[in-house]
Amino acid sequence: DIQMTQSPSTLSASVGDRVIITCRASQSITRWLAWYQQEPGKAPKLLISKASALAGGVPSRFSGSGSGTDFTLTISSLQPGDFATYYCQQYNSYPWTFGRGTKVEV
Amino acid sequence: QVQLVQSGAEVKKTGTSVKVSCKGSGYRFNEYAIHWVRQGPGQRPEWMGWMNAGNGNTMYSQKFQGRVNFSRETSANTAYMVLSSLTSEDTAVYFCAVVVVATPYWGQGTLVTVSS
Repeated sequence: DIQMTQSPSTLSASVGDRVIITCRASQSITRWLAWYQQEPGKAPKLLISKASALAGGVPSRFSGSGSGTDFTLTISSLQPGDFATYYCQQYNSYPWTFGRGTKVEV
Repeated sequence: QVQLVQSGAEVKKTGTSVKVSCKGSGYRFNEYAIHWVRQGPGQRPEWMGWMNAGNGNTMYSQKFQGRVNFSRETSANTAYMVLSSLTSEDTAVYFCAVVVVATPYWGQGTLVTVSS
């Protein structure tokens, strides 16, 4: 199975901050990586697919980059609604695997 | 637009089974695989397996092999997941998902609570 190592596990930030979350795959997944935002009690919301494609309706302050094994999610200017948990997911091969999550808090 | 709508929350007793449905719309149901993912309390999502909605072929995660079954009703664009021999460890939100044109789409989730 492909292991997804996500960091940091917790991130303290303020409104307006630039936030970067990283995800490393244990082997190449080319660009088959998605990023999700999840609020408590809700389904994960897709932010980014194919490493850098912004999902419909997602604000442009979110961006994704990377290929192969190393990926990043950047929030250019953190907004109040962005305090949540973020997950990366590889869908290059089965089983799909997910990072442990990054909780972005005040 | 691609949409997956799942059945409602379930409360089950230990040792019984649960059946969750997932109705797809906005895409050609028969042409894409349906995946099932679950997320326990405070845990990361966990992939359970997938089913080819066209021919019904399945692939199950080793963790659930022998205890899970995927099926579909193509005339209703609906997929099903049955998980049997439930224990408290199976308390989780269960999601179906489909990847269309390299984009993952998820259902809204179905909470399954298992108690004795």
